[in-house]
Amino acid sequence: DAKTTQPPSMDCAEGRAANLPCNHSTISGNEYVYWYRQIHSQGPQYIIHGLKNNETNEMASLIITEDRKSSTLILPHATLRDTAVYYCIVRPTNFGNEKLTFGTGTRLTIIP
Amino acid sequence: NAGVTQTPKFQVLKTGQSMTLQCAQDMNHNSMYWYRQDPGMGLRLIYYSASEGTTDKGEVPNGYNVSRLNKREFSLRLESAAPSQTSVYFCASSENQASGGWFGPGTRLTVT
Repeated sequence: DAKTTQPPSMDCAEGRAANLPCNHSTISGNEYVYWYRQIHSQGPQYIIHGLKNNETNEMASLIITEDRKSSTLILPHATLRDTAVYYCIVRPTNFGNEKLTFGTGTRLTIIP
Repeated sequence: NAGVTQTPKFQVLKTGQSMTLQCAQDMNHNSMYWYRQDPGMGLRLIYYSASEGTTDKGEVPNGYNVSRLNKREFSLRLESAAPSQTSVYFCASSENQASGGWFGPGTRLTVT
C-alpha cells in the first residue's frame, strides 16, 4: 500500500522554479520524507530529505507542512537536465528497518 | 570511491536458466537493497539487508534469493528464470537515516 501520493506528470519552463508536491497523510512521527530522482534509465539519485523543518541544499529545497502530511520539492531554477522522474518516499528513523519503498513518482519535463 | 557497482550491465537468459547478479559498495554502508523496475512502474523492493549477516524480504521476493556475503557485497540470485523477471535491477546501499543512499547503474535482464 502506497504511503505517498504524487501527480504522475508535470511540466515546467526552463529557468523557472519547479514545485513538485507530495502527499504523505499517513506519515508517522518517526518517518523522514526523502526525495530522489531518476534520469532516463539511470539509477535513482538522492536529492534531499527532512523530518520536520524545511531543508535546502545545493540541488533543491524541501518544504514540509506543519502537520507533516505533505511536502513540496522546489528546484529553484530548472534546467533541461532536471527532466526526470521524481520520487517522494517516507523512511523510518529507527535504523535497521530500511524498506525504502518507492511509488511511481512524478515525471517532470522541463520545457525550453 | 566507485560507489555502488553492479555486474553484469546486460544479460539475456532462457527460461529456466539461473544466474547471480552481483553488487558491491565501497562506502562502508550497513544497509543494502535490491530493486526491480518495470516499464512505467516505480521501483519495487525485492530484498534488503539492514546489516551484514541479515536479509529480509521486500515487496516482491518470490523467485529470488539473496546473499549478504560481507559488508561490501550483496548478491541476487534467480534460480530458475521466468519471462516475468525481465526487468531492470538496481542495487542500492545506505549508511543510516541521515544519508540518502546510493544506487548502482542497473542490470538490464531479459528472459526469453
